[in-house]
Amino acid sequence: NAGVIQTPRHKVTGKGQEATLWCEPISGHSAVFWYRQTIVQGLEFLTYFRNQAPIDDSGMPKERFSAQMPNQSHSTLKIQSTQPQDSAVYLCASSPQGGSDYTFGSGTRLLVI
Amino acid sequence: AQSVTQPDARVTVSEGASLQLRCKYSSSVTPYLFWYVQYPRQGLQLLLKYYSGDPVVQGVNGFEAEFSKSNSSFHLRKASVHWSDSAVYFCAVSMKRGNYAQGLTFGLGTRVSVFP
Repeated sequence: NAGVIQTPRHKVTGKGQEATLWCEPISGHSAVFWYRQTIVQGLEFLTYFRNQAPIDDSGMPKERFSAQMPNQSHSTLKIQSTQPQDSAVYLCASSPQGGSDYTFGSGTRLLVI
Repeated sequence: AQSVTQPDARVTVSEGASLQLRCKYSSSVTPYLFWYVQYPRQGLQLLLKYYSGDPVVQGVNGFEAEFSKSNSSFHLRKASVHWSDSAVYFCAVSMKRGNYAQGLTFGLGTRVSVFP
């Protein structure tokens, strides 16, 4: 079991460019969560999929951010027209059906310059 | 909506001393409660969790936590810390809707430094 895999580990983008972050959940886990971690705001919930369907995106910024889960083996978080304030560590977690046994990936550290 | 407060941003302890990290939550119903640890440049690792039953929960590496419904608290403690316990500790809660757990709400974390 390789755990939750997030790629890339580090990403540097120029202001205004697009960034796509990938998450591969643990095989058999049906729920995928995305979080953002910054020094100032701490850990913030962004969005959540269950059985590939979007369930709760209440934490997603209304503009420029989108998330998808096209199949059960991966989810993506896309940030369009990145801004310096998007710089953060983006964490993905997965859990079994209905369960609260969350397993976190190591995160993607995004730096927007 | 629920919230989590960790009142201590930093705690410094001597190796071998005991440790207590405080956590208070605000929620209309008792949520699921968690403590996670984060080492530098790593993701979050679960220390322990509480759903119901015995209010004292045992976790990994000698950690335990005690739930208090009357105080809306879930404090973490360890009897004797090691230098390797230096990390950031997060308290978190999750609500259940129907048969499914929702996303986590985290406190801001407590940075623990253990010195010889």
